[in-house]
Amino acid sequence: EVQLLESGGGMVQPGGSLRLSCAASGFTFSSYAMSWVRQAPGKGLEWVSSISYSGGETYYADSVKGRFTISRDNSKNTLYLQMNSLRAEDTAVYYCAKSPISGWDFDHWGQGTLVTVSS
Amino acid sequence: EIVLTQSPDFQSVTPKEKVTITCRASQSIGSSLHWYQQKPDQSPKLLIRYASQSFSGVPSRFSGSGSGTDFTLTINSLEAEDAATYYCHQSSSFPWTFGQGTKVEIK
Repeated sequence: EVQLLESGGGMVQPGGSLRLSCAASGFTFSSYAMSWVRQAPGKGLEWVSSISYSGGETYYADSVKGRFTISRDNSKNTLYLQMNSLRAEDTAVYYCAKSPISGWDFDHWGQGTLVTVSS
Repeated sequence: EIVLTQSPDFQSVTPKEKVTITCRASQSIGSSLHWYQQKPDQSPKLLIRYASQSFSGVPSRFSGSGSGTDFTLTINSLEAEDAATYYCHQSSSFPWTFGQGTKVEIK
């Protein structure tokens, strides 16, 4: 059974940093692209970033480009999102999501971790 | 950036009724359109991938159609457990984008 478990969320002041982690199990992590998708309180879904199965290709939404960095450690079956220069508008539940072997849809999602940026 | 516009934003439906949700893309995206269901306080779940392919385990009352710029999610014979917000998502070109969501309420 595919499992994705996010951690690392919490409250941080504007301008601060956080690193989110997503521990994957139940599938061959190193074979699949992964992504982060966020959802601000009471709002819709917003794609944040994606990474290829090898980590060689990364993609970012304009809203986070230059501030967030996606990475993965295939030896640890873990996906990361380093978030710097955080702003109030980054407040959201952050989901990690797995893509199928062919395609960029999201076939499995974690339960999410809440990031709150506030002074 | 490709903008996805869903309609309606909200729908109140009686059980066993048929529900149709549309998603219009601001430019052609072929069949790179996916549908998700999100129930309150839960993570999204994939329903339909690439416009019309049902994801494993999804009830047969859910179906998708369309290509190019116009897509439809259909729920035949709505059940109470289908109360949720439904989102479309395009993976034709980065940045990936989502529709604003359609909330389906059971009368």
